[in-house]
Order: sequence, then C-alpha cells, then structure tokens
Amino acid sequence: ETGVTQTPRHLVMGMTNKKSLKCEQHLGHNAMYWYKQSAKKPLELMFVYNFKEQTENNSVPSRFSPECPNSSHLFLHLHTLQPEDSALYLCASSQVFSNDAISYEQYFGPGTRLTVT
Amino acid sequence: AQKITQTQPGMFVQEKEAVTLDCTYDTSDQSYGLFWYKQPSSGEMIFLIYQGSYDEQNATEGRYSLNFQKARKSANLVISASQLGDSAMYFCAMKMEYGNKLVFGAGTILRVKS
Repeated sequence: ETGVTQTPRHLVMGMTNKKSLKCEQHLGHNAMYWYKQSAKKPLELMFVYNFKEQTENNSVPSRFSPECPNSSHLFLHLHTLQPEDSALYLCASSQVFSNDAISYEQYFGPGTRLTVT
Repeated sequence: AQKITQTQPGMFVQEKEAVTLDCTYDTSDQSYGLFWYKQPSSGEMIFLIYQGSYDEQNATEGRYSLNFQKARKSANLVISASQLGDSAMYFCAMKMEYGNKLVFGAGTILRVKS
C-alpha cells in the first residue's frame, strides 16, 4: 500500500449504530487529520493529531470520537449520528516540524462516503 | 480571520487551451503558505502546487503554475494545455503562520470540453 488509505470507502449506517472509519498513512508523516466534506460546503477540518497528540478539535460534536494509536493510524469512531452527518470524510497526513515556517502539503486519502439513514 | 475566496463556482475550457482559476485570501500573518488541490469525481484530494508567502518566484509544476500577487492577496492557478482529465473540482487552501491547519475555499468545478 502507498500513500494514505481509508476504509471503508462507503458506509451506510442507521442513527443508532456504532461504526469506525480507519485511516492509515504509509508516508512516514507525523501529523494526521480528519476532514468533513458536505455537499456545497467548503472542506471542514475536524481534528488534528501531531505526534499522536490531538492538537485541534474544531468544535466537533461528541458523537465523533477520534483515536490515534500511533503516527500511522487514525480512527474516527461514530455513534448515534444524525442524517446531516452524511458526507465524505477525508483523512490526510503531513510532515510537520517545530519550525512552522517550513510548510509541507497534506496528502489525502480517497475518503469514506458516509450515509446516515 | 483567515479566509479563502474562490469566486468561480464553475468554469469551462476547451481542450488544449489554458485556464485560470481564481483564488483570493485574507490573512494578517506575515508568513503563510498557499496550496492548490484537485478533487476528481472519485473523491481523493490531489496536491498540485504550493507557494510560500516569501517565495519570490511563482511556483510551477508541469502544466500547473501559480500566479502569486502578494499585494493583491491573490494566488490564481493557471493550467496550460488543458486535458480532458483535468475536469475536476479545484480547491485553493491556505496554511497560516503557526500550526498546521489548512483553510480551504469553496472550490471551482472545471469542465474541459473536447
């Protein structure tokens, strides 16, 4: 596997279900991200992990719970979702340094298309 | 607050012609980075090109170039010799001086006609 992979690619779940999205990066990066992309809305950053530590939670509802067990894996645990949570969920990774003047691009996975019924 | 504006919801271009996708940004940071991504219908976001705020030369990557006008706070993407495979959604994004968060614009849908 190369780059950033995400599973599953498609997920349909009821409002009472619990499911998890998985992301794995094979690039040796030290930062990982979850984004939400809804129809006709800009990409929304949800969570940021630097060196396995969560550094940003962009006011995301608690029904979304991230987990980063190591620098290569990122999960998004879902429970009691709402229909408006239906969207494309994208995972990304990048290399960050203590010197923020150095900027490296984020590499994205193919996304998980989530439908909440 | 940092903001990215892409004023063109959709664009058409004839195959083999050049097209410019507009992007303006708003930030008070002195150091920042600007990115362009391509998103085909498959959903994956593909990195295209990067411009740092202190870079004096406009960035180029193959058929992609970034027309960076710092005083006007614009970072337009120019695609030369358009190909049918260029049809996709294009996003402009900005990284601020501190942290590794990206702020994205609303995107522009590009359709290349044969």
